[in-house]
Amino acid sequence: KNQVEQSPQSLIILEGKNCTLQCNYTVSPFSNLRWYKQDTGRGPVSLTIMTFSENTKSNGRYTATLDADTKQSSLHITASQLSDSASYICVVSSHNAGNMLTFGGGTRLMVKP
Amino acid sequence: ETGVTQTPRHLVMGMTNKKSLKCEQHLGHNAMYWYKQSAKKPLELMFVYNFKEQTENNSVPSRFSPECPNSSHLFLHLHTLQPEDSALYLCASSQEQGIKTGELFFGEGSRLTVL
Repeated sequence: KNQVEQSPQSLIILEGKNCTLQCNYTVSPFSNLRWYKQDTGRGPVSLTIMTFSENTKSNGRYTATLDADTKQSSLHITASQLSDSASYICVVSSHNAGNMLTFGGGTRLMVKP
Repeated sequence: ETGVTQTPRHLVMGMTNKKSLKCEQHLGHNAMYWYKQSAKKPLELMFVYNFKEQTENNSVPSRFSPECPNSSHLFLHLHTLQPEDSALYLCASSQEQGIKTGELFFGEGSRLTVL
């Protein structure tokens, strides 16, 4: 069964600090992995996409990594800001019929001043 | 602004009411989706429409009835819901479903409360 597990479920950090969110998946065959950011009361918005051949990709203060061998991805946030407070959702796409998407449960991040 | 608009943003209804959620996308996409988001659970796919044809119905109870009159509009008709149906209902669109699914563009969601 395809699964995506995210950790931690929730995280509180101080403004200016760094943090790393984890995503482990058992989806097969793997197509790509996306990280979405969901602000409270809003819909998710894509931050970055990782394909099989990519190890690291940055989007501003966000850096995603992918290890296709261990089926793990991480999202590192540098110099956190209050606006980073949100849920971060890992979504893995599979190369099967319909290009099925499997969603993780998300990590809820709170950045405090 | 993601190009996907959902109305209403908030809805409170009794178990015997009939209501509808509306979604409109201005991105020229051909696939539209309904997702349910409950507290502390992953997003659950409910329905998928690709080029106006329903391609997935993820074992959703018949009290939820989707309608897709064209590639830009998607409705979710609600009838005799249960309190456990209270959740955030998210509409999304993508270029197509399948190999070209690509990025999902979500609306802001409709927060539904069933009393």
